[in-house]
Amino acid sequence: AQSVTQLDSQVPVFEEAPVELRCNYSSSVSVYLFWYVQYPNQGLQLLLKYLSGSTLVKGINGFEAEFNKSQTSFHLRKPSVHISDTAEYFCAVTRGGATNKLIFGTGTLLAVQP
Amino acid sequence: KAGVTQTPRYLIKTRGQQVTLSCSPISGHRSVSWYQQTPGQGLQFLFEYFSETQRNKGNFPGRFSGRQFSNSRSEMNVSTLELGDSALYLCASSLGDRGSYEQYFGPGTRLTVT
Repeated sequence: AQSVTQLDSQVPVFEEAPVELRCNYSSSVSVYLFWYVQYPNQGLQLLLKYLSGSTLVKGINGFEAEFNKSQTSFHLRKPSVHISDTAEYFCAVTRGGATNKLIFGTGTLLAVQP
Repeated sequence: KAGVTQTPRYLIKTRGQQVTLSCSPISGHRSVSWYQQTPGQGLQFLFEYFSETQRNKGNFPGRFSGRQFSNSRSEMNVSTLELGDSALYLCASSLGDRGSYEQYFGPGTRLTVT
């Protein structure tokens, strides 16, 4: 079975500062990794994904993440955040194969302050 | 291309009633998955349908059921509603083929059970 741990429930940061949201996963098989963002009263929007290839993946809105197999991590980073980045961020994994079932972490609220 | 649509967006029901939620996937997507989001349990997988067949199911009681139609539209039904069923129900669609694991989410249906 797979599991996802997001170590920080909330990350406060000032505008234009860099940020890292941490995600660790556990799985006995290879997995595919995703970051989603949820703005208030909305669904989830796909930020970026790691399926294979380069371990550094770039997504929308200036976000990027690095897949580290040895540390079973997939941390999300942005060099300079904006007020509009304030939202809940979810890390998710799927083992793929014959299913698209996603296992989600508990989420990290990114609170950008002016 | 239009995104995933869910109807209705908001719903208030009384304990003991039943409810049906609808999801229309992105055109060309054959897989539809449903998730329940609550403050206490986070995002939990309900079930996944592909080409009108359920191919995965989460750990929910039999009161939760779903189906998929030939046009890939999906419905989920919850019978004998309980207060704990109050949640945001999210639908996600994907191509469904092996190797295409990205899921795209709709805005959700907010169900309140009183």
